[in-house]
Amino acid sequence: LAKTTQPISMDSYEGQEVNITCSHNNIATNDYITWYQQFPSQGPRFIIQGYKTKVTNEVASLFIPADRKSSTLSLPRVSLSDTAVYYCLVGERNNRLAFGKGNQVVVIP
Amino acid sequence: DAGVTQSPTHLIKTRGQHVTLRCSPISGHKSVSWYQQVLGQGPQFIFQYYEKEERGRGNFPDRFSARQFPNYSSELNVNALLLGDSALYLCASSLPTGGNEQFFGPGTRLTVL
Repeated sequence: LAKTTQPISMDSYEGQEVNITCSHNNIATNDYITWYQQFPSQGPRFIIQGYKTKVTNEVASLFIPADRKSSTLSLPRVSLSDTAVYYCLVGERNNRLAFGKGNQVVVIP
Repeated sequence: DAGVTQSPTHLIKTRGQHVTLRCSPISGHKSVSWYQQVLGQGPQFIFQYYEKEERGRGNFPDRFSARQFPNYSSELNVNALLLGDSALYLCASSLPTGGNEQFFGPGTRLTVL
C-alpha cells in the first residue's frame, strides 16, 4: 500500500479557506486518493475521492497534479465545527482503508 | 435511515478474557469492515466481509476473528485479551460498488485491565 505523509497539525481562522496537503510518492496506477474526517469519539466520515485532476463536491475540493504524487484537500470558508483530524488515504478501491496518523486541523475564532 | 450501529458502546475486560463486538450495517449495505483505533493513531484495518465471506484481513493475530450473518450484521471476536487490545473498535459498511466510501459506526470503546 502506498504510504502517505501529512502535516501533523495546522491552525486556521474561521472563514478562511484551508488547504491540506498530502504526499504519496509511490502511488500505484490502480490507487485512488480518498480523504476522511474524524471528530473525537466518532468514526471517520468520507469527504471526497479522486484519481486525477480536480474533484469537487458540496463540502470540499480535491486537487491532484498530473504526476499524482501529492494531493490537496481544500475546505472553503471553514467554521469552528470543521476542527477535526483529516486523513489522506491512497489505495485501490477495495474498502480496505489504510489510515495514517492524519492531520489535526484546529479552526480558531 | 439509521446509520451503522455498534454494541456495546463501552466495555471493560480483564487480560485473558474474550470479547464479542457487534455491528449492524446500513440497510442495503452488504460489505462490513472492522478497524482498530488506538488513541492518537489512525484506524487500522482488521477484517473485511462481503456476502458472509472474508474478503480481506489486516495484520492482526489469530486471536482476532469475525463473521458476517445472513442479515449482513457482523461480530468481531477477540480471544485472550491483552492490555494492548485496548482501543476503539470501529465497524464500517459500504455498498459493493462503494469504492472506499465507507460509513462508520460510533465504535465500541474496549478497555482491558
